[in-house]
Amino acid sequence: SVLTQPPSVSAAPGQKVTISCSGSSSNIGKDYVSWYQQLPGTAPKLLIYDNTVRPSGIPDRFSGSKSGTSATLGITGLQTEDEADYYCGTWDSTLSAMVFGGGTKVTVL
Amino acid sequence: QVHLVQAGAEMKKPGSSVTVSCKASGGTFSTYGFSWFRQAPGQGLEWVGRIVPIIGVTNVAQKFQGRVSITADKSTTTVYMDLGSLRSDDTAVYFCARQDRGVVPSTGFDLWGQGTLVSVSS
Repeated sequence: SVLTQPPSVSAAPGQKVTISCSGSSSNIGKDYVSWYQQLPGTAPKLLIYDNTVRPSGIPDRFSGSKSGTSATLGITGLQTEDEADYYCGTWDSTLSAMVFGGGTKVTVL
Repeated sequence: QVHLVQAGAEMKKPGSSVTVSCKASGGTFSTYGFSWFRQAPGQGLEWVGRIVPIIGVTNVAQKFQGRVSITADKSTTTVYMDLGSLRSDDTAVYFCARQDRGVVPSTGFDLWGQGTLVSVSS
């Protein structure tokens, strides 16, 4: 994958996890990052767009940030229903393509 | 309320072509952009290409160039993806997704279709 995410993260209920997304100057360093949650057997769901913006209906437990060529998704007050795969994505100006991370599996211990 | 409704599953032979449709029910194309993604079993998301109907722009991922065509029918608010020269490794669930601001290719995909399974096998 063009963007690099950790394969997995885990924490106990109520705790916080962060998921990193590393890219380059032609993608994250230049453009907006979005984050998606995918539950098994379902389509992805938009959690964060334009680096930090939550769509209507997304709890404020989810937050996004970006610095340089990296972005981070934070989930606070972890709940069992947060167990899912999470993907970051952005546009790459060199490839003229949407690029994504390989996904991070969040496990609630 | 707008939904993206995709066609049902397809079973294809290697070397053939498949067309997957995605209808934006309950709305118009407006300034939206539409992308196609695929997800092979147990794998991550892979972007295939996109179209912005109002300005007629299309982009296709390099690995699919020459095999994929993405079109839109404004009269029926339906987007299509044609994938040719099918191989067994094209077996995947194909999703369509909408961007609220199609002219900003990096903005988020706020609406997704339910997915269409395309199986390629001899």
